[in-house]
Amino acid sequence: GENVEQHPSTLSVQEGDSAVIKCTYSDSASNYFPWYKQELGKRPQLIIDIRSNVGEKKDQRIAVTLNKTAKHFSLHITETQPEDSAVYFCAASKGAQKLVFGQGTRLTINP
Amino acid sequence: DTAVSQTPKYLVTQMGNDKSIKCEQNLGHDTMYWYKQDSKKFLKIMFSYNNKELIINETVPNRFSPKSPDKAHLNLHINSLELGDSAVYFCASSPDFGGPLHFGNGTRLTVT
Repeated sequence: GENVEQHPSTLSVQEGDSAVIKCTYSDSASNYFPWYKQELGKRPQLIIDIRSNVGEKKDQRIAVTLNKTAKHFSLHITETQPEDSAVYFCAASKGAQKLVFGQGTRLTINP
Repeated sequence: DTAVSQTPKYLVTQMGNDKSIKCEQNLGHDTMYWYKQDSKKFLKIMFSYNNKELIINETVPNRFSPKSPDKAHLNLHINSLELGDSAVYFCASSPDFGGPLHFGNGTRLTVT
């Protein structure tokens, strides 16, 4: 079955700097890659997703890139702000299959 | 309006008791899920229903029994609660199986 590895497990950056979180997946047939943000004590919320027919997608300060050959995808957050502090989860699925989540990255933005 | 609502928000109970968590979604989605998030924050799928039909049961102990009376509701009943059941349980829904998930606010279960 699909296996998703996420790195790093914790990430601390200065406010205004960029943050990058990377995930690798094992099943080359996976074609859907969402990212979820979970603030402390809250529910995970979808922030951006990408499908395998595109290589990059942007939404304001966040972007996701996909490298199908290497089977990895990354979340990029630019101009980080204190409200970006949260746990971020990547996930992968293929067709009508269950989403498999990465282990999560705790991102801390230092003022 | 809360799209995916689950109750209760907190549940504190003793070992051996039986408890239920309820979930309702008003998004018109076909698929609903139960996820368990442990203290290390890992999100693990437990069950998934599509149009009231069970499609995933991830080797969850028989003490856990989901029920979906209709596609807008998915409840979780837990028998003989154990200390290791302490976690946050999230209900979620998606338009179809494998699609974008919409999570409820979670139920923090503490077994003492």
